[in-house]
Amino acid sequence: NAGVTQTPKFQVLKTGQSMTLQCAQDMNHEYMSWYRQDPGMGLRLIHYSVGAGITDQGEVPNGYNVSRSTTEDFPLRLLSAAPSQTSVYFCASNRGLGEQYFGPGTRLTVT
Amino acid sequence: AQTVTQSQPEMSVQEAETVTLSCTYDTSESDYYLFWYKQPPSRQMILVIRQEAYKQQNATENRFSVNFQKAAKSFSLKISDSQLGDAAMYFCAYFSGANSKLTFGKGITLSVRP
Repeated sequence: NAGVTQTPKFQVLKTGQSMTLQCAQDMNHEYMSWYRQDPGMGLRLIHYSVGAGITDQGEVPNGYNVSRSTTEDFPLRLLSAAPSQTSVYFCASNRGLGEQYFGPGTRLTVT
Repeated sequence: AQTVTQSQPEMSVQEAETVTLSCTYDTSESDYYLFWYKQPPSRQMILVIRQEAYKQQNATENRFSVNFQKAAKSFSLKISDSQLGDAAMYFCAYFSGANSKLTFGKGITLSVRP
């Protein structure tokens, strides 16, 4: 049981490049979320999903897209990277009772 | 929208002593959960303790306990017999039963002095 996995662990992008952060879970959780963590800001919700085919915006969705074609996978796409998107990104899943299971995080730097 | 406030950015405690981390939240909901998460330098988010709003009894997990004051919307974490391994960032979080969203406070950095 791998839990929540994220790839890559580190990434450097140039402004304007696009990329996809991968997230997968093997716990059959319906709920999955993406957060970004910035110093002094805590974790802020980007997008979340309550099941396959259903996604919604969180607190800071601009510049990011998501889709949920399967229960297991919830990729986060950066359409045109900007320096303001330099952050640590966490994917998480839960079974609907709030207790989030987090991935190890991806540190993204946009130059 | 729910908000979670952790007003102290940093705290320090002597090893073996007790420390309390404060958290307040704002909500109009009656069905919710509260959590404390620990984030050590490894960056991994670790669940410390959980409290269901409908339970009056305060949650405890070994050296960790909470003081849940529902009317005051306060949810503090007490760490007893502090250990060096407790040094980390701690986040208070609110989970809405209505929209399944988890909202975090800004976190507090706890250091433990040997």
